Amino acid sequence: GAVVSQHPSRVICKSGTSVKIECRSLDFQATTMFWYRQFPKKSLMLMATSNEGSKATYEQGVEKDKFLINHASLTLSTLTVTSAHPEDSSFYICSARVGGGPTGELFFGEGSRLTVL
Amino acid sequence: AQRVTQPEKLLSVFKGAPVELKCNYSYSGSPELFWYVQYSRQRLQLLLRHISRESIKGFTADLNKGETSFHLKKPFAQEEDSAMYYCALSGQGETSGSRLTFGEGTQLTVNP
Repeated sequence: GAVVSQHPSRVICKSGTSVKIECRSLDFQATTMFWYRQFPKKSLMLMATSNEGSKATYEQGVEKDKFLINHASLTLSTLTVTSAHPEDSSFYICSARVGGGPTGELFFGEGSRLTVL
Repeated sequence: AQRVTQPEKLLSVFKGAPVELKCNYSYSGSPELFWYVQYSRQRLQLLLRHISRESIKGFTADLNKGETSFHLKKPFAQEEDSAMYYCALSGQGETSGSRLTFGEGTQLTVNP
């Protein structure tokens, strides 16, 4: 199947700093990518939909100034956690849909674990 | 609003026993339902989707609109089925059809 890769897989940062997480579709183009956040023993919560060449669509309750999303190319979306705080510590997962339309299969990245000290 | 409920966080069965992972949903239109699986130290991957009406690794799931359920079943569980299972729902339309709402997941353990 298609491959979605995230980098870094783990990152530790100090409170107040910004962290960038990359999501790449390795063997297909993705006009749309999705960013999820997963708390321990909890479900995946959709944070935002990343749209290539346009602004991301954020879910209700997600601060767009806190979680900056850029989708500059058809194979790369980035999530930047700005001025990170310990409560931002979480597992962040991206996914991308093959085929471009709403019905293609979703493939997930391996996730990025952020720890804010 | 879309909502997916998996009432069991943990489910433990013995090898060879039947297994059923429950999933109930709430959605006003006609949803598309999925089951995703995450094996230990691996990424989330699609197990099956209701529109395909297929059996994957011996698992099946039938969409019951009357009961708003999409339970995952396997007649004879195997140890390698031990994993975290997520039920997910996608709504209609270009926008909502791209968004998946996940249940909280059920950790299945198949004991030898």
